[in-house]
Amino acid sequence: SQKIEQNSEALNIQEGKTATLTCNYTNYSPAYLQWYRQDPGRGPVFLLLIRENEKEKRKERLKVTFDTTLKQSLFHITASQPADSATYLCALERDSSYKLIFGSGTRLLVRP
Amino acid sequence: DAGITQSPRHKVTETGTPVTLRCHQTENHRYMYWYRQDPGHGLRLIHYSYGVKDTDKGEVSDGYSVSRSKTEDFLLTLESATSSQTSVYFCAISPQGVDEQFFGPGTRLTVL
Repeated sequence: SQKIEQNSEALNIQEGKTATLTCNYTNYSPAYLQWYRQDPGRGPVFLLLIRENEKEKRKERLKVTFDTTLKQSLFHITASQPADSATYLCALERDSSYKLIFGSGTRLLVRP
Repeated sequence: DAGITQSPRHKVTETGTPVTLRCHQTENHRYMYWYRQDPGHGLRLIHYSYGVKDTDKGEVSDGYSVSRSKTEDFLLTLESATSSQTSVYFCAISPQGVDEQFFGPGTRLTVL
């Protein structure tokens, strides 16, 4: 079955540094992959979508890469700020359907 | 923010009682989803809808039923609540199904 893995350990970095989060998947080749941000007590918020024919996508300080050979996506936040502290979820489309499968998320903590 | 609300926001109920959660949208999006979120499991799809009266099961549908009689409303019913259904429930909407999802604020359900 399809499986997504995100690092369950929190990532703790200093303000101003680049945060890099990893999403690995197995047993499937999704047509696209998405990243969401979730703050405590709130619903996830969509950040970026990258398709299988796109190697990289950027939005302001965010950058996502998608390596279909390695079955891996990297999510980067440059010049990180304490306000970037949140849990980041990776999701990929399931079985060529209108459904997503989500990873468990990685918590990011940016220290001032 | 996408116009999506959930009610109730919090509910405590007893084992064996039926419970209905409501998701309401003002965006006229075709696709609607119900997820549950539990520590260590991330977001898991319960049921989804691809149109009025058109629904399908997700990965954890046992013990749940849904109905969608209008575009704007998607109801999730726990036919006989169990303690294992204690969770945070999120509704999401999507215009095309193959793009981003917009999440509601969530409902925290406790089954005693």
